[in-house]
Amino acid sequence: QVQLQESGPGLVKPSETLSLTCTVSGGSISNYYWGWIRQSPGKGLECIGYVYYTGITNYNPSLKSRVTISVDTSKNLFSLKLNSVTAADTAVYYCARHLDHYEGSGYYYGGWFDSWGQGTLVTVSS
Amino acid sequence: QSVLTQPPSVSGAPGQRVTISCTGSSSNTGSGYDIHWYQQVPGTAPKLLIYGNNNRPSGVPDRFSGSKSGTSASLAITGLQAEDEADYYCQSYDSSLSGSLFGGGTKLTVL
Repeated sequence: QVQLQESGPGLVKPSETLSLTCTVSGGSISNYYWGWIRQSPGKGLECIGYVYYTGITNYNPSLKSRVTISVDTSKNLFSLKLNSVTAADTAVYYCARHLDHYEGSGYYYGGWFDSWGQGTLVTVSS
Repeated sequence: QSVLTQPPSVSGAPGQRVTISCTGSSSNTGSGYDIHWYQQVPGTAPKLLIYGNNNRPSGVPDRFSGSKSGTSASLAITGLQAEDEADYYCQSYDSSLSGSLFGGGTKLTVL
């Protein structure tokens, strides 16, 4: 069973860059998409984006201008950078593996997150 | 608009059956994209409960089932247990976002 573990600073100053890493163990990072999801205090889940092991990315349009998700296959990890943070970016950040459903004809039915990290709280404050 | 709408809360007594609805739009469920469900016990990470509308990952009890019709989907929980008290989220692909979208979540209270 694949396991994911987030790591990074728990406190970031406003206007600076939030940087998190997700280390994948128990399986290879290859051949999958890997995503970041966040949850503001007392709120619901928001998909930030995901990265394929080849480096192809997909970002939430509302965050796209500030987000970079990258992958390092040699270290079996992927990373999140979110710049120009404000208090609104305070949240628990989760990393997760993303699986896709295609039919034989190539029709795409969407994907889901099957394995999640435990999450890490990042607070934006001076 | 890219939205998945869930009721804020539902409740039921132990042993009862409850359902949680998830209503989408033409850019997600209405376009045939799958619905997936997650259970989140407070203070813990979400856990995949149902994928591909009605499939249970290994280890998920068969008390949990999912269905989808048109733009709407439902999660049903039978034989309600105290341990089922949690927040439940639906999720789908949205073509307007070109990415994943979560519903607002439903808090299940076991009376």
